[in-house]
This record gives sequence, C-alpha cells and structure tokens, in this order.
Amino acid sequence: KNEVEQSPQNLTAQEGEFITINCSYSVGISALHWLQQHPGGGIVSLFMLSSGKKKHGRLIATINIQEKHSSLHITASHPRDSAVYICAVGGTYAGGTSYGKLTFGQGTILTVHP
Amino acid sequence: GAGVSQTPSNKVTEKGKYVELRCDPISGHTALYWYRQSLGQGPEFLIYFQGTGAADDSGLPNDRFFAVRPEGSVSTLKIQRTERGDSAVYLCASSVTRDRVDEQFFGPGTRLTVL
Repeated sequence: KNEVEQSPQNLTAQEGEFITINCSYSVGISALHWLQQHPGGGIVSLFMLSSGKKKHGRLIATINIQEKHSSLHITASHPRDSAVYICAVGGTYAGGTSYGKLTFGQGTILTVHP
Repeated sequence: GAGVSQTPSNKVTEKGKYVELRCDPISGHTALYWYRQSLGQGPEFLIYFQGTGAADDSGLPNDRFFAVRPEGSVSTLKIQRTERGDSAVYLCASSVTRDRVDEQFFGPGTRLTVL
C-alpha cells in the first residue's frame, strides 16, 4: 500500500462545477502539500498545511491530522484548472528526525470542459 | 526573482551512455532535492542535500546514480551506463531550510530519454 493515496485518479467536470480531490496518508507528517502540474509544465505549489484549512482564490485545502486525510476543493471550476493535482507529505518522521523530503501521491488528472 | 532552473530541458541519449543533469536552486536556499517522475506517476524522491552534503540518498535506485553539490548551490545528477528504464522527467526542488518543513520550489524538470 502506498504511503500517500489520492482519489479519484481521473476526474472530469463541466465548467462551474465544485470539485473535490482526496488524499489519505499512512505516516506521521509535519506538513501536507498540494501541488499543480500542467501538461509539459513544472510543478507549482498550491498549499502547504499542517492543520485546519487554507483558502486561495477558488481553491480550498483542508486537513484532518487525526484521520490522516486532506481534501482539495475547487469552486466554480474553469477549463484553465485542467491539470494534474498532486498531494505530497513532508516531514515524515524517521528515527526521530524530520525534514522536508516529500512523498507523493500518484496524482489526480482533472479535466474541466467548457 | 529567479526560480529554480534545470538544464538541459530535454536530453536524448543512447543506452550505456553517461549523462549529467544540472540544477540551479533559488539563491540562498540551503536544501536541494532531486526527484524522478515516470510517465503517469507521481514524483519519487532520489536524494536530498543540506548545504554541500547529501543528507539522504536513500532514493537513488542503484550505484549508477550519483549527485554532487560541491559549493552548496548548483547540483549535478550523474547517471552512468544509462538504461531505457532511466527514461523519466528529473525534477529538482529547493527550499530555505531543512529543520522544518518549508515550501519547495520546483524547477521545470529535465526530460531524459534513453534509446
């Protein structure tokens, strides 16, 4: 079982729909990252969070540390939101040391149709 | 300011050849990470530098892979006797510190194709 699991793997939506991508992890962490990757493009960090909720524009990220679960929400989705969304966990405790090495989920491919 | 840069952006090589991939992190970032992303997969950790030293190289798949960061800034990932299975996008990221988890800034990646 992977340490970081995302669902769904593929998601298709119509413009304007509310979108949710889920991430579950199985290790203790210091922070969880949501990243965006466009086809042929680099990776951009959307959020880094260790508790509660963060909002940036139409994007909202939440995390439940006790349940080891995070969600990324996109409100009023738009075709330009089409990308791969990747959940990654960092600060995995190993031998009492925590650091920024990231363990990634497999990504969710989001396609938003006009 | 300038972000993380990687060169070359694309590299095509033949099986058995040696390749070097370069990463220029954001100035002042002490932590540098190399990741590898195969088609349709999330990135996988290769190696992490804090300053000049490799603090964790547990992700390097075998001894054909080696990375250096001699002056604590630019890093080079070196792959000897390349194999077709090495084909992937190699990503570099940097962050300010390692003692707490910081946002990582990613480069555009180098797409390596081994024929």
